Amino acid sequence: DVKVTQSSRYLVKRTGEKVFLECVQDMDHENMFWYRQDPGLGLRLIYFSYDVKMKEKGDIPEGYSVSREKKERFSLILESASTNQTSMYLCASSFSLFPGETYEQYFGPGTRLTVT
Amino acid sequence: RKEVEQDPGPFNVPEGATVAFNCTYSNSASQSFFWYRQDCRKEPKLLMSVYSSGNEDGRFTAQLNRASQYISLLIRDSKLSDSATYLCVVNAGGYQKVTFGIGTKLQVIP
Repeated sequence: DVKVTQSSRYLVKRTGEKVFLECVQDMDHENMFWYRQDPGLGLRLIYFSYDVKMKEKGDIPEGYSVSREKKERFSLILESASTNQTSMYLCASSFSLFPGETYEQYFGPGTRLTVT
Repeated sequence: RKEVEQDPGPFNVPEGATVAFNCTYSNSASQSFFWYRQDCRKEPKLLMSVYSSGNEDGRFTAQLNRASQYISLLIRDSKLSDSATYLCVVNAGGYQKVTFGIGTKLQVIP
């Protein structure tokens, strides 16, 4: 079974704080993703990574950065948290036979972040 | 037009009923399709992939209509445990071409 874990289920931070969300997968997947999910908007891609130290911007990268130093770990960083970053953050991973491909994604349990 | 559209519902159906959801997509180059299930406050989980020939898994049947650019999910003999949000996912190739629908909420009523 694919297992994707996230460092926290619930997190409360203050405006301006730097926030780290960590994600670990145990299936040796090449691809890892960070999404946020908001009511009425669905899942929106923040960043993805297709290899160690490689990262690409998704649809809504502003205010976020990522780090992938090891294949199994993908971190999302909120440089200076703001109230509009209150959301559910979901990490996912998928395998890939060829660069640029992604198959079904497996999600972590999510981190519900509240910024006050 | 949104890339992937779903009726958000909710669909309220009695136990034992048959219910179907559609999901339309705008990119005719889309290559692969999936249905995910998401329970309240939980992560999405893969329900089934959707193949060109259609596929069935127990009470669930998924179909693809490329001409009209939609996929469908049929649930027969609905159970209370089927209550969830069903997300349609369309992959047009490449990492940034994976698009999630907003989901259709199903509530199965006793």
